Amino acid sequence: DTGVSQDPRHKITKRGQNVTFRCDPISEHNRLYWYRQTLGQGPEFLTYFQNEAQLEKSRLLSDRFSAERPKGSFSTLEIQRTEQGDSAMYLCASRRDGDYEQYFGPGTRLTVT
Amino acid sequence: AQSVTQLGSHVSVSEGALVLLRCNYSSSVPPYLFWYVQYPNQGLQLLLKYTSAATLVKGINGFEAEFKKSETSFHLTKPSAHMSDAAEYFCAADFGNEKLTFGTGTRLTIIP
Repeated sequence: DTGVSQDPRHKITKRGQNVTFRCDPISEHNRLYWYRQTLGQGPEFLTYFQNEAQLEKSRLLSDRFSAERPKGSFSTLEIQRTEQGDSAMYLCASRRDGDYEQYFGPGTRLTVT
Repeated sequence: AQSVTQLGSHVSVSEGALVLLRCNYSSSVPPYLFWYVQYPNQGLQLLLKYTSAATLVKGINGFEAEFKKSETSFHLTKPSAHMSDAAEYFCAADFGNEKLTFGTGTRLTIIP
C-alpha cells in the first residue's frame, strides 16, 4: 500500500495557461475524489469517480475544469484558461466501495500569476 | 442544509495539557464523521472515524473522539498535548451522499 500520489506537487503558471494534474489512487480503491482547498479553508468537493465513471460534479467545477479517469486507475484534472482565483491546493483522495474513510494524497499546490 | 462547524479557528494549549477541539454537525440523520490532521504543505491524514458502531472512537497518536447524537457533536480530545501535535485539524462528515463535507479547520498551537 503505497498511498495516494499526486503529480506535480507544485505548479506555477501564468493566467490563461492550461494545467493538468495527475492522481494515482491506492491500487485497490475504485473510488477517486478531487477536492480544492483555499488558504484558511477546509477542502471543498469538486468531483468523484467510481471506476471510470464520473458520478458527480460540484457546481464549483466550471466549464474550464475537466476530470477524467479513463481506465479506472489514475485520474487527471485539467484547468483551461487559468485564472488567479484558481490558485489553491488540489487534493485527491480514494477509497474502496464499502469503506467510508477517504485517504488523501499530498496535494498539488497551484499558483496562478 | 447539512454542514459541519468547528468552533475555534485557533486553539493554544500548553505541552502536557488536555487538547479539546470542537466539531458539530447539522443534519437530521447522523452522518459518518471523521477527523483529519494536516501538516503544512501536506495532504490530510485520517486520525479517526465514526461509522455508527461505538460512540467513543480511538484513533492514532493518542487522539479520541466521542459521538453525541443529542448534542450533534463529535469533539476530538487528547489527554496530554505533545509538540508534534501542532497542526491544522479538520472535522468532516459523509451525509450519505458519497462525499466529505469539511469544517473550516482548527489550528492547534502547542506552547512549550
